[in-house]
Order: sequence, then C-alpha cells, then structure tokens
Amino acid sequence: DVKVTQSSRYLVKRTGEKVFLECVQDMDHENMFWYRQDPGLGLRLIYFSYDVKMKEKGDIPEGYSVSREKKERFSLILESASTNQTSMYLCASTGRGETQYFGPGTRLLVL
Amino acid sequence: AQSVTQLGSHVSVSEGALVLLRCNYSSSVPPYLFWYVQYPNQGLQLLLKYTSAATLVKGINGFEAEFKKSETSFHLTKPSAHMSDAAEYFCAVSDRRSSNTGKLIFGQGTTLQVKP
Repeated sequence: DVKVTQSSRYLVKRTGEKVFLECVQDMDHENMFWYRQDPGLGLRLIYFSYDVKMKEKGDIPEGYSVSREKKERFSLILESASTNQTSMYLCASTGRGETQYFGPGTRLLVL
Repeated sequence: AQSVTQLGSHVSVSEGALVLLRCNYSSSVPPYLFWYVQYPNQGLQLLLKYTSAATLVKGINGFEAEFKKSETSFHLTKPSAHMSDAAEYFCAVSDRRSSNTGKLIFGQGTTLQVKP
C-alpha cells in the first residue's frame, strides 16, 4: 500500500513564527507537491519537487519555501507565519505515472 | 493554458438517486483526467482516471466517468447514491507534455450532500 504521511494533523502557531511542515512518502517517488486548500478555491499548488534538491514554484509560492534533501522527504517552510496562511496543507507524491497520492493533510491555524 | 471547471460547488441528492457531478476541461492536447474524493478531515483519494484507453472509466465505490472529447467533459456518475458518498469531489487534468512531473490542475471542488 502506498503511503504519504504528514508530520502533524493539526497545528497552532503564532504570527511571526517559523513553521515546518514535513511530508514523507515510502514509494520511492520522484515528484512531490505541496498544496494549500481553502474553501471555494480548491487546491492551489505552492511548490513541487521533481528530484532531490530540485524545486519549482507553483501558483502561490509567496511566503513559503521548501526543502528536499532526501528523496522521500519534502518540507514546506513558512518563514514568518501570517494569519492569511491559516489553511489546510496537503502533500502529494507521484512516480513516473500521473496518479498523485495524498497525505492526510495538516490543518494550520495562525493566531 | 489548461483549466478545469466544475459546475456546481454544492450538489444535493436523495439516497438512492443518481449522482451527477460535472467537469469540463480545456487542453490543447489530449489530457489525462482524474476524479478524486475527499472525506472530512482527510486527504484526497483517487476515484478513477482516464489515460486515453476506454472512454468510459470505472472507479471505486460504484463511480464511473465518461470522457467526451467533443464536449470537453468528464462528468462523474453513480446510479444510486449512498449516505457514505457524502464528501467533496475534485476533477483534475494533467497535460501529457508535463506528465513526467505529474503536475495536475484541480477544479474548485463539488461538495456532495446525500439526504436520507
């Protein structure tokens, strides 16, 4: 069974804090993705990575950065959290096929 | 540029009734198309996908979708709704030119409510 795990299901942080969201996949997939999900807006791509140490900006990269030091792990970093980054964050991975496999999501609240 | 439009942000049906969730796409080349389902407080789970084989695609939980090139549509159907089908459904498209990265473009989602 394919598995994508995210480090936290729920997270509460304060404005200005540095926030790390971790995602791990056990399928040896090349490609990994970070999305945020907001009501009425669907899923919006923040960043994706197609190989170790390689990354590309998605549609809404502002205020975020990413790190991929190992193939199985893709981290999303909020350098200085703001209230408008309160959202559901979803990680996904895919191999050479097209099916994306998703983690359970992290619901982040920034106060 | 590719895009996906899901018609209707909320759909309500009675238990046992037909489920029809609409999805239209735009793509300059034949696309790969997907339907995902998201249950409350969970990630997305693949329901079915079209990758240029048969135009009628069967998925899990009794769902199916038909690719209609002339209408640029990929509507999701289920003959008889069950209470457990209540969830949010997302249609997505992948440009074959970028298929090696696995990037998808998602629609805005349709929330399905099933009434007893």
